Amino acid sequence: GQNIDQPTEMTATEGAIVQINCTYQTSGFNGLFWYQQHAGEAPTFLSYNVLDGLEEKGRFSSFLSRSKGYSYLLLKELQMKDSASYLCAVRAQGRNTPLVFGKGTRLSVIA
Amino acid sequence: EAGVAQSPRYKIIEKRQSVAFWCNPISGHATLYWYQQILGQGPKLLIQFQNNGVVDDSQLPKDRFSAERLKGVDSTLKIQPAKLEDSAVYLCASSLEGLAGWTNNEQFFGPGTRLTVL
Repeated sequence: GQNIDQPTEMTATEGAIVQINCTYQTSGFNGLFWYQQHAGEAPTFLSYNVLDGLEEKGRFSSFLSRSKGYSYLLLKELQMKDSASYLCAVRAQGRNTPLVFGKGTRLSVIA
Repeated sequence: EAGVAQSPRYKIIEKRQSVAFWCNPISGHATLYWYQQILGQGPKLLIQFQNNGVVDDSQLPKDRFSAERLKGVDSTLKIQPAKLEDSAVYLCASSLEGLAGWTNNEQFFGPGTRLTVL
């Protein structure tokens, strides 16, 4: 079976840094994805990690530790438009296996 | 490049009625997914197609849900009859067939169809 855990809600201040954690237990592993989803909209791709370490992309960074079954998404210089749900998703072994999503973390950015 | 198209965007029906959703993936994407997203939860896979063949439908409630992708391009998802617990957003996603070696094989999502069953 597969299980993905992430906090339900987080609040952070505009201009600050926030870290959203994700832990997972899966049968096989072939990559971890982070998606952003604004209310009423489709998820949009943010990052992908398959090897241990940090992937940086502008204000967003994602980290993976496969031995610990752990990832985090780091958002810097928060903006009001970053208020959204952030979905952690894992792909099991295989090339085109579907993603298993966590329940998402709803981030509220306040002034 | 056009994204994943879905229609309708919203649908309201009464329980026991039937409903169908349509998805047109990004041109050239061989893999198509249908997900169900209940309010406050992450998307859950219903069915995955590779071209016109089913790869995974283990979580599809086959007594009431059906899906097809006859020509390997667009796809329809049907619910017959609908239940109250089917109220959700139905997301369609597509991806390129993975190449040999490491690939992120990113999934691109459509805007979704929000279904309300009364």
